[in-house]
Amino acid sequence: GAVVSQHPSWVICKSGTSVKIECRSLDFQATTMFWYRQFPKQSLMLMATSNEGSKATYEQGVEKDKFLINHASLTLSTLTVTSAHPEDSSFYICSARDRGWPGELFFGEGSRLTVL
Amino acid sequence: SQQGEEDPQALSIQEGENATMNCSYKTSINNLQWYRQNSGRGLVHLILIRSNEREKHSGRLRVTLDTSKKSSSLLITASRAADTASYFCATVSGSARQLTFGSGTQLTVLP
Repeated sequence: GAVVSQHPSWVICKSGTSVKIECRSLDFQATTMFWYRQFPKQSLMLMATSNEGSKATYEQGVEKDKFLINHASLTLSTLTVTSAHPEDSSFYICSARDRGWPGELFFGEGSRLTVL
Repeated sequence: SQQGEEDPQALSIQEGENATMNCSYKTSINNLQWYRQNSGRGLVHLILIRSNEREKHSGRLRVTLDTSKKSSSLLITASRAADTASYFCATVSGSARQLTFGSGTQLTVLP
């Protein structure tokens, strides 16, 4: 199947710093990418839908100024956690859909963020 | 928001036994999918069942869908220790183009 790569796979940062997580589709073009957040032993909660060349659509309760999403190309979307705080510590997972609907959804391996 | 609830939340069985996980959802759907997640890893797509299908098989996996009860089940036959993981159902509804995940079942297969 297609491959979605996330980087970094884990990051530890100090409170107040910003962290950028990249999500790349390696062998296909993704017009739409999704960002999820997962707390330990819980399900995935959709944060936002990222469409190439346009603004992301955020789910209710997700602060767009806190979680900046940029989908600048058909193979790359980035999530920046700005001024991170300990409560932002979580597992962030991206997924990407191949061109067209309903293309199969492929998931990255996730990025574990720990804010000290 | 979470669409589905899964039960059991946790399931522990012996290798060779069958494992059954259930998923219930709230709104009408286009399709329902099952995913597997190993601890600390991303998700792997297992199987998709469309709203007009009642049962689907893939290897040791069997999925059923009852749209009248808004429920689905995932059966893993002849389980192996390597099947130990969390299993999530996810639904696609209406014009929505994203997946909405259930709460998940943690399956442990003891060798």
